[in-house]
Amino acid sequence: EIVLTQSPATLSLSPGERATLSCRASQSVSTYLAWYQQKPGQAPRLLIYDASNRATGIPARFSGSGSGTDFTLTISSLEPEDFAVYYCQQRSNWPRSFGPGTKVDIK
Amino acid sequence: QVRLVESGGGVVQPGRSLRLSCAASGFTFSSYAIHWVRQAPGKGLEWVAVISYDGSNKYYADSVKGRFTISRDNSKNTLFLQLNSLRADDTAVYYCARDVDVASARYYFDYWGQGTLVTVSS
Repeated sequence: EIVLTQSPATLSLSPGERATLSCRASQSVSTYLAWYQQKPGQAPRLLIYDASNRATGIPARFSGSGSGTDFTLTISSLEPEDFAVYYCQQRSNWPRSFGPGTKVDIK
Repeated sequence: QVRLVESGGGVVQPGRSLRLSCAASGFTFSSYAIHWVRQAPGKGLEWVAVISYDGSNKYYADSVKGRFTISRDNSKNTLFLQLNSLRADDTAVYYCARDVDVASARYYFDYWGQGTLVTVSS
């Protein structure tokens, strides 16, 4: 079973700052990794799939990188609506799994 | 636009059953695999089950295998999840979510419903 670890657990930043979120897999998932954003009381929203491909309608300030076991989600300049919880998810192995999440909150 | 609307959640006693539904609109339902993903209160996300576009293939998380059954009615654009032998740790918001790919399951989820809360408690 692949375990995804996300760091930091909480990231406190100001609007306009750059956010860098990490997701590490316990074994290689190649590039079979996605990122989701979830706001309180809402369903998750797909941001990135296959490590670096933006989903339809996702702003260019969101970018993903990495392969193997180490992945990064970067938000180049935080907008007020970007403060949320972010989850990574792998589809490489069974069971499909999510990371525990990183909360990006306002400093 | 793509819309997924879950229903059927509620409070149920341990050991009892519940049937969830997910009504789809705004896309060709019969062309997509659909998943159930759940989220316990204040916790992270857990993939639960998937059904192929034509209903011929179904896969489950180990935590629900043998207790939950996923099915679909393509004539009614509706997905179902039958929950049997419910336990306290099944308490969660249950989301249906569309797979990103047409006619295959890539296990990325591009559209989600708003979720339906299942509470298992005596």
